[in-house]
Amino acid sequence: AQKVTQAQTEISVVEKEDVTLDCVYETRDTTYYLFWYKQPPSGELVFLIRRNSFDEQNEISGRYSWNFQKSTSSFNFTITASQVVDSAVYFCALSEARGDDKIIFGKGTRLHILP
Amino acid sequence: DAGVTQSPTHLIKTRGQHVTLRCSPISGHKSVSWYQQVLGQGPQFIFQYYEKEERGRGNFPDRFSARQFPNYSSELNVNALLLGDSALYLCASSLGSFSGANVLTFGAGSRLTVL
Repeated sequence: AQKVTQAQTEISVVEKEDVTLDCVYETRDTTYYLFWYKQPPSGELVFLIRRNSFDEQNEISGRYSWNFQKSTSSFNFTITASQVVDSAVYFCALSEARGDDKIIFGKGTRLHILP
Repeated sequence: DAGVTQSPTHLIKTRGQHVTLRCSPISGHKSVSWYQQVLGQGPQFIFQYYEKEERGRGNFPDRFSARQFPNYSSELNVNALLLGDSALYLCASSLGSFSGANVLTFGAGSRLTVL
């Protein structure tokens, strides 16, 4: 069965610190896609990244970076030099290549960046 | 360009009533999906419609139904409301390819409270 686990329910760090959000997934499929979405207080989920199961290259986008390791079924997200505007709930998600838009979300990690 | 728009933004109903939620996708997107997000949890997939046909259905009772119109907008209907239906209902649109790799663009949601 497919599952996404975000063990960290809530994290607080002081501004400018680095922070890593953990994500572990389960799937029996060999082809799948992993996502990170950000949900600010407004409620709208904002897409951050998509990764397919065949591409284990790490990715960096500005202060954001993602580490995908198939061997440990993990897809972790690091924010470098955090800012107050990074405060939000972050969701890791999994989509299996079944031909539909069903995405399985984790429970999310609420991130507080303290000034 | 307008993003995904949902209405109403907030509504309060009593148990046993019926509710209709509406969604307009991004221009050019032919697929609309509905997700339910209970407080403190990640979104859960309810339905996907593509070109007016149901493409996917999550594990929700028959009280939940949806449809898509020729202009690709969509309605989610919930009958015989229960207290447990209180949630944020998110609509997402995509191009609707069959790969499972679609990036979903979410609306800000309709917050339903059932008393």
